[in-house]
Amino acid sequence: DQQVKQNSPSLSVQEGRISILNCDYTNSMFDYFLWYKKYPAEGPTFLISISSIKDKNEDGRFTVFLNKSAKHLSLHIVPSQPGDSAVYFCAASGTNTDKLIFGTGTRLQVFP
Amino acid sequence: DAGVIQSPRHEVTEMGQEVTLRCKPISGHDYLFWYRQTMMRGLELLIYFNNNVPIDDSGMPEDRFSAKMPNASFSTLKIQPSEPRDSAVYFCASSSGSRGQFFGPGTRLTVL
Repeated sequence: DQQVKQNSPSLSVQEGRISILNCDYTNSMFDYFLWYKKYPAEGPTFLISISSIKDKNEDGRFTVFLNKSAKHLSLHIVPSQPGDSAVYFCAASGTNTDKLIFGTGTRLQVFP
Repeated sequence: DAGVIQSPRHEVTEMGQEVTLRCKPISGHDYLFWYRQTMMRGLELLIYFNNNVPIDDSGMPEDRFSAKMPNASFSTLKIQPSEPRDSAVYFCASSSGSRGQFFGPGTRLTVL
C-alpha cells in the first residue's frame, strides 16, 4: 500500500525547458513534504520542502507546489540543466510520526 | 563534517551467509534511520532509532533482519541468513529531529 506515489518512473526534458515532477499521497495526516535528489552511487540529498500551511515554496530554480485538496504536489525546475539529471524522490511525514514515507522515484534526464 | 558514513560500500555474499552493514551517523544527531532501496518499492524505511532506542521496526521484512544501536555513534543492520531477494542498496540516514534527514552513500548488497 503505497501512501506516496510517483507515477512517472522517468522524464526527459530539453535543457532550458521546465521539468515538472509529480507526486500524489493518500494519507490526509501528512503535513510536511520533501523532495530529495539522488545521483548514482550516492545517497539522496535534501532539495526542498513544504509545510501543509503553504501551497508554494521556492528556492532558486526549484519550486514545490502543494494542492492539499487533491493530495498532490509537484516540483518545478526552471530552467532545467544537464546537472539536474538524477532520480527525484518525493517524501511525506505527519505530526503523529517521525517517519518519512518515500515514493518510488522519478528519473529525470535533461538533454542538451 | 564527514557526513553519514556507511561500510562496506559494496558487499557480495552467498545465500545463507550472515551480512552486517555498519553506519556512523553525524555527530549530535539523535535520530538514525535504515532504508532499503529497490526498483519496485523505492526507498523503504526498515527501522529507526531515537537516542539509540529502536522506535519503529515495522518495516523490517523478516526475523532474518535485526538492527542495533549500541551507542550514539554506531549502528548495525544484520541479515542472517541472507537470501538473493535481499539484494538491494541499503541506506543509513541521521537527523537532529526527524524531518531533515541526511543520507549516507549506501551499501550495495548482492546475495548470490
